[in-house]
Amino acid sequence: GEDVEQSLFLSVREGDSSVINCTYTDSSSTYLYWYKQEPGAGLQLLTYIFSNMDMKQDQRLTVLLNKKDKHLSLRIADTQTGDSAIYFCALVGNTGKLIFGQGTTLQVKP
Amino acid sequence: DAGVIQSPRHEVTEMGQEVTLRCKPISGHDYLFWYRQTMMRGLELLIYFNNNVPIDDSGMPEDRFSAKMPNASFSTLKIQPSEPRDSAVYFCASSTGVAVGGVTYEQYFGPGTRLTVT
Repeated sequence: GEDVEQSLFLSVREGDSSVINCTYTDSSSTYLYWYKQEPGAGLQLLTYIFSNMDMKQDQRLTVLLNKKDKHLSLRIADTQTGDSAIYFCALVGNTGKLIFGQGTTLQVKP
Repeated sequence: DAGVIQSPRHEVTEMGQEVTLRCKPISGHDYLFWYRQTMMRGLELLIYFNNNVPIDDSGMPEDRFSAKMPNASFSTLKIQPSEPRDSAVYFCASSTGVAVGGVTYEQYFGPGTRLTVT
């Protein structure tokens, strides 16, 4: 079955770049996603990338996809304290359901 | 739209009691998902519905869990009897589709119900 792995914790200083990594086993997913969960809230879609792309940039966010290594990353430039949250990568499993990683807690220190 | 609405936001109950979690999806969304989030297991899909019909319930942990969607605007997740290991945050999400056939759809999550079983 599908497996999605993420490191559990990342700490950066305000103004630095953050890079959150994700690896997966099933490469058939058409789309790969990054969701953000703020404290006490549900998940919110942050960005996604189509599987035939290598990179997608959206303001401070850059998504890189390495299909050969089955590796997805999310780079947040100029990280702010408001970026502190849990970040989940997800891919599409069979029947269209999302398979989520464990989530990476991003701590931004002022 | 108010987004996905879940109730209650917090539930504390004793082991053995029945628990019912409720969800109102976004109007017009044909898909509804129930997830469970715990520290140990992360975010797990329990079941999802399309047009009120259960499509995939392979994530439902055991017979103590049941989910229904009697109409397009309401769904329930019931645990009977509840056990301490059911303590978790339960999320409901809805969308207008699923990512099959080269098209993607965003899932919109509710704020979750934090369940504590003592």
